[in-house]
Amino acid sequence: DTQMTQSPSSLSASVGDRVTITCQASQDISNFLSWYQQKPGKAPKVLIYDASKLETGVPSRFSGSGSGTDFTLTINNLQPEDFATYYCQQYTDLFSFGPGTKVDIK
Amino acid sequence: QVQLQESGPGLVKPSETLSLTCTVSGASMRSYYWSWIRQSTGKGLEWIGYIYDTGSTRYNPSLKSRVTLSVDTSKNQFSLKLNSVTAADTAVYYCARYNWSDGRFDYWGQGTLVTVSS
Repeated sequence: DTQMTQSPSSLSASVGDRVTITCQASQDISNFLSWYQQKPGKAPKVLIYDASKLETGVPSRFSGSGSGTDFTLTINNLQPEDFATYYCQQYTDLFSFGPGTKVDIK
Repeated sequence: QVQLQESGPGLVKPSETLSLTCTVSGASMRSYYWSWIRQSTGKGLEWIGYIYDTGSTRYNPSLKSRVTLSVDTSKNQFSLKLNSVTAADTAVYYCARYNWSDGRFDYWGQGTLVTVSS
């Protein structure tokens, strides 16, 4: 099975910052990767799919890149509503999620 | 607007069977995969399995021996049964729609906490 890792596990940032989260797969997953945002008490919400495609309605400050085993989620101009936990998820070998990256206020 | 809503007991005794139902509204269940995903403090987000509208299923190998999914498209519902539960099965359980054409879980229920305890 495909294991997903993320780094960092948490980070502190300020409004207006650029934030980068990385995700690594234990084997080549091509571009079969999605990113989700989760706020406390809520279900995850998809932001990015196929590694770099922006979900309809998601602000363009979110972007994804990568292929193979290494992927990145970038948030430009961090907004107050972006403080949340972010998960990557692969879908080439059934499904598995990364452990999450919590983004909180500095 | 597609909406999913989980329902079922919030407390299950050890060794018994956890049963949840997800009701789908605002969309047909045809031509989609319908999934269960759980989230616990210890294991993060864990995919449990999915079922297609035809009844075809796939399960997480780590849970396969204890899981059964079923679907009733006439009621726009699908269900999860997880038997022989232990405290390790305590989690928030989500139902979600898997959009196979784009590879993402695009609609989720709000989640329901199931606690395994005597």
